[in-house]
Amino acid sequence: EVQLVESGGGLVQPGGSLRLSCAASGFTFSTYWMSWVRQAPGKGLEWVANIQQDGSKIYHMDSLKGRFTISRDNAKNSLYLQMNSLRAEDTAVYYCARFYSSGWDDAFDIWGQGTMVTVSS
Amino acid sequence: QSVLTQPPSASGTPGQRVIISCSGSSSNIGSNTEHWYQQLPGTAPKLLIYGNNQRPSGVPDRFSGSKSGTSASLAISGLQSEDEADYYCAAWDDGLNGVVFGGGTKLTVL
Repeated sequence: EVQLVESGGGLVQPGGSLRLSCAASGFTFSTYWMSWVRQAPGKGLEWVANIQQDGSKIYHMDSLKGRFTISRDNAKNSLYLQMNSLRAEDTAVYYCARFYSSGWDDAFDIWGQGTMVTVSS
Repeated sequence: QSVLTQPPSASGTPGQRVIISCSGSSSNIGSNTEHWYQQLPGTAPKLLIYGNNQRPSGVPDRFSGSKSGTSASLAISGLQSEDEADYYCAAWDDGLNGVVFGGGTKLTVL
């Protein structure tokens, strides 16, 4: 079964750091782009970052550059999101998603269940 | 303010056909394929439509997508009570070098 399982969320104080992990199974992890997408409470979906199969290309949402970093370990079938200098507005459910990209079309075709990050004092 | 514009709400009665619109620009929908997601309450989003009106395995053919210029639409025919959910459009944006989403449309089945 194709599956993505996030972990690492929790309560953190403003200015703190958190590292999210996503464990992939059921597919050849190293052959897919991967992504993080977040959703603030009661709000819509917001793309956070993408990383290419070998990690050579990385894209982050402009407003998060310098604070958030996506990375992956293909040997461990794992995706990560390092979040620094966290702010209250970063409070959200963070989803790990597989980013299917054929060259002419793309989509988030597999999603994890999400992990909640709450930034509050 | 989302880059892609969707109506905040839509509604229909069982059996009806409902269309949800998504307006973008030349840097996203105008030059890249759009995708649509369904999010049932309390669950993760699920891919409904991608590419040129492609449906992943398991998605009923009651769901269909179309595009004209910089706008896209999701049509749901034979509306069912289980279709009550939030629907999001998305597309890669060449200017932002990232994926942009619509603000979401809450579909109510009356």
